[in-house]
Amino acid sequence: RKEVEQDPGPFNVPEGATVAFNCTYSNSASQSFFWYRQDCRKEPKLLMSVYSSGNEDGRFTAQLNRASQYISLLIRDSKLSDSATYLCVVNGLGRYSTLTFGKGTMLLVSP
Amino acid sequence: DAMVIQNPRYQVTQFGKPVTLSCSQTLNHNVMYWYQQKSSQAPKLLFHYYDKDFNNEADTPDNFQSRRPNTSFCFLDIRSPGLGDAAMYLCATSRQRGSNSPLHFGNGTRLTVT
Repeated sequence: RKEVEQDPGPFNVPEGATVAFNCTYSNSASQSFFWYRQDCRKEPKLLMSVYSSGNEDGRFTAQLNRASQYISLLIRDSKLSDSATYLCVVNGLGRYSTLTFGKGTMLLVSP
Repeated sequence: DAMVIQNPRYQVTQFGKPVTLSCSQTLNHNVMYWYQQKSSQAPKLLFHYYDKDFNNEADTPDNFQSRRPNTSFCFLDIRSPGLGDAAMYLCATSRQRGSNSPLHFGNGTRLTVT
């Protein structure tokens, strides 16, 4: 099992749609979880951290299910500017618990 | 603004010709990382520095080396680039290592090997 696995994409949605991304991780001892956004040919940028109780930032909601080792990101009222690749990031199995990235799920929002 | 800066933005090198990519930061973060990202793949950690302490990932080829002469600067040296080394190279920093320290990325250097 890969350390971090995400939904294969791309997701094509119309403006205004609600879309959800899923991510599973293999290390039950992981403590830190993040969603990053990466625009085409640009660097990843932190979108939000994921907390145990779930957290919301405007149109974005992140949830964590430790029992199932599962993280989700919900985007409500999609905008054209939300088109990007969304990367799930988890602190990994390595000696120094460095952050491990999923492959990402691409979102394409159309008019 | 505090930031992570990578130079150059685009680098072309010849097969087998050594190349150095540079990264600087004004965030005064303890940790600096180098990631390799190929098209449609996840960023892959090559190594990181915790202060002056260098840490290599087990599967990072010997062809890749790094230097951190001071807190602000970190270099990635590719001794003999192969065609398979063409990728985006991302430098990142974090305040501490591991948990609860998100990464701050530079804008990357896209390496082409001819």
